[in-house]
Amino acid sequence: AQKITQTQPGMFVQEKEAVTLDCTYDTSDQSYGLFWYKQPSSGEMIFLIYQGSYDEQNATEGRYSLNFQKARKSANLVISASQLGDSAMYFCAMSSNNAGNMLTFGGGTRLMVKP
Amino acid sequence: KAGVTQTPRYLIKTRGQQVTLSCSPISGHRSVSWYQQTPGQGLQFLFEYFSETQRNKGNFPGRFSGRQFSNSRSEMNVSTLELGDSALYLCASSLSVAQGSSTDTQYFGPGTRLTVL
Repeated sequence: AQKITQTQPGMFVQEKEAVTLDCTYDTSDQSYGLFWYKQPSSGEMIFLIYQGSYDEQNATEGRYSLNFQKARKSANLVISASQLGDSAMYFCAMSSNNAGNMLTFGGGTRLMVKP
Repeated sequence: KAGVTQTPRYLIKTRGQQVTLSCSPISGHRSVSWYQQTPGQGLQFLFEYFSETQRNKGNFPGRFSGRQFSNSRSEMNVSTLELGDSALYLCASSLSVAQGSSTDTQYFGPGTRLTVL
């Protein structure tokens, strides 16, 4: 069974500063993928970034980067230069070759950006 | 390219009724998955359809069912609605080149918010 844990229910960050959202995972599968999604108050889940378990380099997408530490089973999301529009719920999720297309989600972190 | 669309966006039903939700995937995507999001249980996987066949199923009662059409559009049905079925229902589509690929990115629609009274 797979499990995702996000230990920060809510976080504040000052506009233009960087912020790290924590995510730890548990799986017995060797091949898996880690994803981060953003959910604004409108409800739509927006894909941000992906990291494969065999990827040796940390994934980056614009202001988003994923700090992947395989031995510690962590996949933290780093948002640089926070903007007011970054205020939203953020979900960490994983899939594995043994689980098909099923995504297992963490409980989410609500990020609030202060002007 | 148009994103994933879901209709209707909002629904209000009463206990005992049934409901059908619709999802149109991104053009070219063959896999459609459904998720339920509630404040208490978070995001939970319902099922996945690929080439008109259910390929994966979560731990939900048989009142929850779905289907996929030849154009990859999918519908989800909930029969005999209960108060606890009130939730945001999210549909996601992916290319799904290979079954069970952990690299398959899912793209979500805006969701259907169902309220059961």
